[in-house]
Amino acid sequence: GAVVSQHPSWVICKSGTSVKIECRSLDFQATTMFWYRQFPKQSLMLMATSNEGSKATYEQGVEKDKFLINHASLTLSTLTVTSAHPEDSSFYICSASYSRLAGGLNEQYFGPGTRLTVT
Amino acid sequence: TQLLEQSPQFLSIQEGENLTVYCNSSSVFSSLQWYRQEPGEGPVLLVTVVTGGEVKKLKRLTFQFGDARKDSSLHITAAQPGDTGLYLCAGILRSNFGNEKLTFGTGTRLTIIP
Repeated sequence: GAVVSQHPSWVICKSGTSVKIECRSLDFQATTMFWYRQFPKQSLMLMATSNEGSKATYEQGVEKDKFLINHASLTLSTLTVTSAHPEDSSFYICSASYSRLAGGLNEQYFGPGTRLTVT
Repeated sequence: TQLLEQSPQFLSIQEGENLTVYCNSSSVFSSLQWYRQEPGEGPVLLVTVVTGGEVKKLKRLTFQFGDARKDSSLHITAAQPGDTGLYLCAGILRSNFGNEKLTFGTGTRLTIIP
């Protein structure tokens, strides 16, 4: 159980275009989804946290107008990279969690990632 | 910004050897997790430690959480080629929504040579 999928697994786009990445929780309802970015040979950096039905909370330094996040349902969140540039090329990973009993740890389940290359 | 430093950054050892990876921070975390990530994939959770001083064992892997909950270590006994991967520690803080935010460490890339 607790499977998270991402689509597409990889995408190549031209500079100036927009790209949408989907993150789905397949067998559970995710109250919270997280979006991370990972550059080659580096660690994961949290970009934003989104709760279903509300606006995403972005980390410092992440442009909310460039990285649009929509968490429209309990099983789907999307990240749209607008006006992509080569420096946006990266590995984008989402994770999903659901609320457990009070005091419990809300484990994050990670998707397989999406490799974005902007030419 | 909380920073989790891992050491070493890279480690390449022979099969059968032992190794220890360290994760250090100046911040106190409510709990800490260790993940392993293969190239082109998402990270996979190995363990969660919650109590200061806690030690958890997962077959040949031993995880320890520091008494002050600022640091952690991962010890692998008799390393196998299948242990090769990127090891990430992640400190857990509660976000404003009451959900845990993960702050990932800088990573340790481990290569086990057959």
